[in-house]
Amino acid sequence: ETGVTQTPRHLVMGMTNKKSLKCEQHLGHNAMYWYKQSAKKPLELMFVYSLEERVENNSVPSRFSPECPNSSHLFLHLHTLQPEDSALYLCASSPKGWFSETQYFGPGTRLLVL
Amino acid sequence: QKEVEQNSGPLSVPEGAIASLNCTYSDRGSQSFFWYRQYSGKSPELIMFIYSNGDKEDGRFTAQLNKASQYVSLLIRDSQPSDSATYLCAVKFPAGNKLTFGGGTRVLVKP
Repeated sequence: ETGVTQTPRHLVMGMTNKKSLKCEQHLGHNAMYWYKQSAKKPLELMFVYSLEERVENNSVPSRFSPECPNSSHLFLHLHTLQPEDSALYLCASSPKGWFSETQYFGPGTRLLVL
Repeated sequence: QKEVEQNSGPLSVPEGAIASLNCTYSDRGSQSFFWYRQYSGKSPELIMFIYSNGDKEDGRFTAQLNKASQYVSLLIRDSQPSDSATYLCAVKFPAGNKLTFGGGTRVLVKP
């Protein structure tokens, strides 16, 4: 148990649906991240929030929309996704600002887009 | 050109032997290097980090860094079946302050 939780753990959605992924960290960390992990591809950084401010958007399509209402919570809003967006979405946090410390990962949300 | 490269494996190792994993990276200015372990169906967990040239030991794990040759390696001594997992190398590149992951090496320890 790393202190980073994600819900839901599994999600199946159609291309016209709107859904949200939630991440919560109980570690008092200042930075939070969204990663995408597809089969046979390296882990891809999507977004970084440091002290609730977005500091990195790694050329992610607009159908993915992050939200960080406070330093403990991070959301990823999904709409009109494509089948190629099916992947494991991992949330991570780090203590003292982004990438200045090691990252702790949540269990991930496995997403299937039909 | 891939920024962080790892052999995808699988690397098959007999129980009790040493598993040796390699990772090369493209940016000579990189300063921070991490090894994560990821069991099938689970999220990555940090096992080692190294900043300076040379060796760093933690239990059965040893990380080795050679900045001149731009590679970092991980040795697992006395390999156990529970070490069977995918090992991800991650490098903090100076430009953009990003942590970039390699594709991972799958390790299979056979009893």
